[in-house]
Parts: sequence; C-alpha cells; structure tokens
Amino acid sequence: QKEVEQDPGPLSVPEGAIVSLNCTYSNSAFQYFMWYRQYSRKGPELLMYTYSSGNKEDGRFTAQVDKSSKYISLFIRDSQPSDSATYLCAMSARNNDMRFGAGTRLTVKP
Amino acid sequence: KAGVTQTPRYLIKTRGQQVTLSCSPISGHRSVSWYQQTPGQGLQFLFEYFSETQRNKGNFPGRFSGRQFSNSRSEMNVSTLELGDSALYLCASSKGTSGRETQYFGPGTRLLVL
Repeated sequence: QKEVEQDPGPLSVPEGAIVSLNCTYSNSAFQYFMWYRQYSRKGPELLMYTYSSGNKEDGRFTAQVDKSSKYISLFIRDSQPSDSATYLCAMSARNNDMRFGAGTRLTVKP
Repeated sequence: KAGVTQTPRYLIKTRGQQVTLSCSPISGHRSVSWYQQTPGQGLQFLFEYFSETQRNKGNFPGRFSGRQFSNSRSEMNVSTLELGDSALYLCASSKGTSGRETQYFGPGTRLLVL
C-alpha cells in the first residue's frame, strides 16, 4: 500500500462545476498538507498549504484536512477551463521530505 | 523575485552515460530538494540539501547523488544511466530553517535515456 493514495482520474467536468479532489494517507506522522497544480510540461505550483487538521479557503479553492480519518480534500468552486491541470496532493512529517499522491488529471470543459 | 531555475531543460543520453543537472533556488532559500517524476511512479523524493549538507534522502540507488554549493545552487548527478531513469527531474527550494516553509518547484529537466 502506498503512503499516499490519490485517484489519478481523469476527471472531466463542465465549466462552473464544483470539483472535489481527494487523497488518503497511512502515515499518522504527516502534519503538513499541500495541494499543487501542475500544467503540462511545467513544474508543480503550490496552491494550498495546511498545517494539521481544519479548513483553509483561498478564493475559489478550499482545502480540508481530517487527520482522524487520514483524508484530505481540495474543492474548486466555479471551475474554469484554466483550472484544467493535474492536481497533486502532498504531505510530510517534516516539511522538506514530501510524499506525493499520483495526481488527478482534471479537465474543465467550456 | 526570480523563481527556481533548472538547466538544461531537456537532455538526451544513452545507457551507461552519466548526467549532471543544475538547480538555482530562489534567492534567500537555503534548502534544495530533488524529485523524480515518471508516469508510473509519480513524484518521488530523491534528496534534500541544506547549507551544503544532505539532510534527507529518499530510496534511490547510489547512482543518484547530489551536492550543494555555498551559494545554495545544487547539482544532481546520475551515473551509469538506465532506460528507467528517463523522467522529469524537479528541484524545489525553500528557506529550510523550520518545518513550516513551503517548497517552490522549478520547471524541471526532462531526461530521456536511449
């Protein structure tokens, strides 16, 4: 079993839809949780950063962490075609040794 | 503020050769981490350098090595290349002084081994 599990998709939604992306993990020592967005042929770009459990909102993006269930989510409201990318969850016990999910490929259709 | 830069962006090598990749972190960042990204395995942590010392290491064979210079620039070397080393190699930088900084990625070096 991988330390971090993420459904690779692909996921296709119409413009304006709410997108839900999820990861589960097995290492209870993880306490830093991140979501990265990666466009084709580019490096990952940090979207959201959360320490421990709780919710964090930034514009159209909301990150949720449930440490009791070892489950994290990223919600994208009012999705746009420009949101089409691969979304990677990442987590670490210490911030400089991250473990990544496989990435979910998202397509938002106009 | 300039981002993380990586050179070269693309590289083609043959089996058995060695390769050196370079990463320049964001100004003021002292930690540089290296990752390998492949379609099958995703993003995997190689190692992290902080103040010229390797601080963390992933589960890769000894053919993968790195170093960091006094200006925080880092190089990664892969010796005796294998076909399976074909991948996107990403470096990421952070301030590195506490456990709460986020990492910022460069565009990557795409290595193809023939």
